[in-house]
Amino acid sequence: NAGVTQTPKFRILKIGQSMTLQCTQDMNHNYMYWYRQDPGMGLKLIYYSVGAGITDKGEVPNGYNVSRSTTEDFPLRLELAAPSQTSVYFCASSYRDEQYFGPGTRLTVT
Amino acid sequence: QQQVKQSPQSLIVQKGGISIINCAYENTAFDYFPWYQQFPGKGPALLIAIRPDVSEKKEGRFTISFNKSAKQFSLHIMDSQPGDSATYFCAARRDSGNTPLVFGKGTRLSVIA
Repeated sequence: NAGVTQTPKFRILKIGQSMTLQCTQDMNHNYMYWYRQDPGMGLKLIYYSVGAGITDKGEVPNGYNVSRSTTEDFPLRLELAAPSQTSVYFCASSYRDEQYFGPGTRLTVT
Repeated sequence: QQQVKQSPQSLIVQKGGISIINCAYENTAFDYFPWYQQFPGKGPALLIAIRPDVSEKKEGRFTISFNKSAKQFSLHIMDSQPGDSATYFCAARRDSGNTPLVFGKGTRLSVIA
C-alpha cells in the first residue's frame, strides 16, 4: 500500500512551458485534492474532486487544470507556466475525515 | 479572507517545555478541527483532531483545547522534544462530509536542547 504518490519530485520549467504533475492513490479514496504551499502562506487549495469525472475549483485555480478519469489518478496540468507558479505542490486523498498527503513536487519556473 | 488565523508564525521552545499554538476561525459552520504536522521535505500528516462537542482531546503528549464561544482552538505539546521540531498547521472544515479543509498559515516549531 503506497498511499499517495506524486511524480516528479522536482522540476524546473521555463516561462511559457507546460507540464503535468502526476498524482496516484491506491486507497480507493473518492476524494482527491491539489494544494500549493508557499513559504509562510500555508496550504492553498487549487482543485479538488469528489469522484471520477467530477472536479471543482478551490481557492487558487487560475493557471491550472485537472481531470479525474479514474478513482486512482488526479493529474494537475500547468499551461503556460509563470514564475508565480513556483511552489511546492501537494496532492492528497481522503475517504472520511483524514486527508493523506503525497510527498510533494517542488516546481521552479524561471 | 482568511478563515483560519494561526499564531505564532514561529516558536522556539526548550526541550521539556510546553509548546502552544493557537488558531481562530470565523465560520460558525465549521465542525471539524484537525492539526497537521509536517517535517521538512515531507507532506503534512494528521496529528490530532477535535469536533466541537468536546472541549479537549488528548493523545499522548498532544492536546487540543477547543473554545466554541470564542471560536478558538489550540494545540499544546507537553514535554516538547527535538523530534517535535516541524511545521504545524491547524485546519477547519464545515459539515461532516468531505468538503475541503481550510488551513492556517502554519507555525514553525523548533525545540532546542
